[in-house]
Amino acid sequence: SAVISQKPSRDICQRGTSLTIQCQVDSQVTMMFWYRQQPGQSLTLIATANQGSEATYESGFVIDKFPISRPNLTFSTLTVSNMSPEDSSIYLCSVGTDNEKLFFGSGTQLSVL
Amino acid sequence: EDKVVQSPLSLVVHEGDTVTLNCSYEVTNFRSLLWYKQEKKAPTFLFMLTSSGIEKKSGRLSSILDKKELFSILNITATQTGDSAVYLCAPTSGTYKYIFGTGTRLKVLA
Repeated sequence: SAVISQKPSRDICQRGTSLTIQCQVDSQVTMMFWYRQQPGQSLTLIATANQGSEATYESGFVIDKFPISRPNLTFSTLTVSNMSPEDSSIYLCSVGTDNEKLFFGSGTQLSVL
Repeated sequence: EDKVVQSPLSLVVHEGDTVTLNCSYEVTNFRSLLWYKQEKKAPTFLFMLTSSGIEKKSGRLSSILDKKELFSILNITATQTGDSAVYLCAPTSGTYKYIFGTGTRLKVLA
C-alpha cells in the first residue's frame, strides 16, 4: 500500500485563523479523500479531492470553509478556514485503491482556542 | 438512512482473552465492509470483506461477513496489550462511500 504523509501532525490555532494541511503520497493515486473525526465521533467524509478540478464536497461541507487543492496525483491540501473551537478535530487524508480499499495518512490533530 | 452500529461500545479484557466485536449495518448499494484499528490518529487497515461466509484471517485476527443478516464480526484471539485500540467498521453505500461506525474501544490489561 502507498505511504501517505500528512503535516502538520498537530497544531493549536486561534479562532478566526486558517490552517492548511498537506498530504503527500509516495505513488500516483486517482482517488484521494479528506475525512474529519470530531472528538468522540466517527470518521466523516469531507470531500473527494479531484486532480485538476474542483473537489466534490459532501453534504454539510462547503468550499469556502474547507478549500481543497489537488495539483497532481500525489499531493493534496485541505485548508480549514476561519476556524472556531468546533473545528477541533482530527483531519485525515486517505487514498482509495482500485479495489476500493481505503488507506489513511498519519492524521492532523487540530485544536482551536 | 444508512446506519452502522458497533457493539460493544467499549470492552476491557485481560491478556490472553478472546474478544468478538460486532458491526451491524443497514446501507443501500452495499459493496464491501472494511475493518480498521485506530490507536492514535490514523486508522490502520485490517480487512476488506465482500462475500458472505468467507473468513478473512491475519494472525490472531479474523473477520467474517453475513450479507443476509447484515452484520460482520471481528475476532481477536489471545489478546495482547498491543491490541488496545478503537476498532472501526465501515460498510460502503456506493463506490468509495464508506459509512464509519463509532467504533469499539478495546483495552487489554496485562
